[in-house]
Amino acid sequence: GDSVTQMEGPVTLSEEAFLTINCTYTATGYPSLFWYVQYPGEGLQLLLKATKADDKGSNKGFEATYRKETTSFHLEKGSVQVSDSAVYFCALKGNDYKLSFGAGTTVTVRA
Amino acid sequence: DGGITQSPKYLFRKEGQNVTLSCEQNLNHDAMYWYRQDPGQGLRLIYYSQIVNDFQKGDIAEGYSVSREKKESFPLTVTSAQKNPTAFYLCASSIPTGQNQPQHFGDGTRLSIL
Repeated sequence: GDSVTQMEGPVTLSEEAFLTINCTYTATGYPSLFWYVQYPGEGLQLLLKATKADDKGSNKGFEATYRKETTSFHLEKGSVQVSDSAVYFCALKGNDYKLSFGAGTTVTVRA
Repeated sequence: DGGITQSPKYLFRKEGQNVTLSCEQNLNHDAMYWYRQDPGQGLRLIYYSQIVNDFQKGDIAEGYSVSREKKESFPLTVTSAQKNPTAFYLCASSIPTGQNQPQHFGDGTRLSIL
């Protein structure tokens, strides 16, 4: 079945550092890929998405490129802020409409 | 503003008691979902519904029940058969057709055992 593997956390960074969170997937067909962010005590918010190979999703300074050859969708941000501290989830949506989530990566940014 | 409202934010259950978590959406979405989140784990699907009066079991449906009598509402009941109910519960909704449609989430209900 479909599955998502995320880099384990927690990740602790200083403000203005570069952030990468690795995400790889296993799926049949051509899934759509998503990154969600969860702030403390809240639900998930869609951060960005990509629906086909080589698509780049971007939002709020975050980017991720759909790489079919490596089955990856790594999340990057060039300069993080304290407000980026959250849990980040990679997810895929395959031939059915169900989302498969990674385990989540906790990111803490220190001033 | 359109969105998903979950209530209550915190809920406590006594042994042997059923409790119901509310989920209401005004996004006019046909599909709705319930997930369970445990520390260090991703979200796991409990139940989902693509249309009113129809729903299917997800990956961890045992000990849970749902109804879908209205498009806007998808309540989840945690029954006494669920032996480890302490978790964060998230409701979501989406347009059901198309792979590229994201799911929109509520702010969750945290359920604990007394």
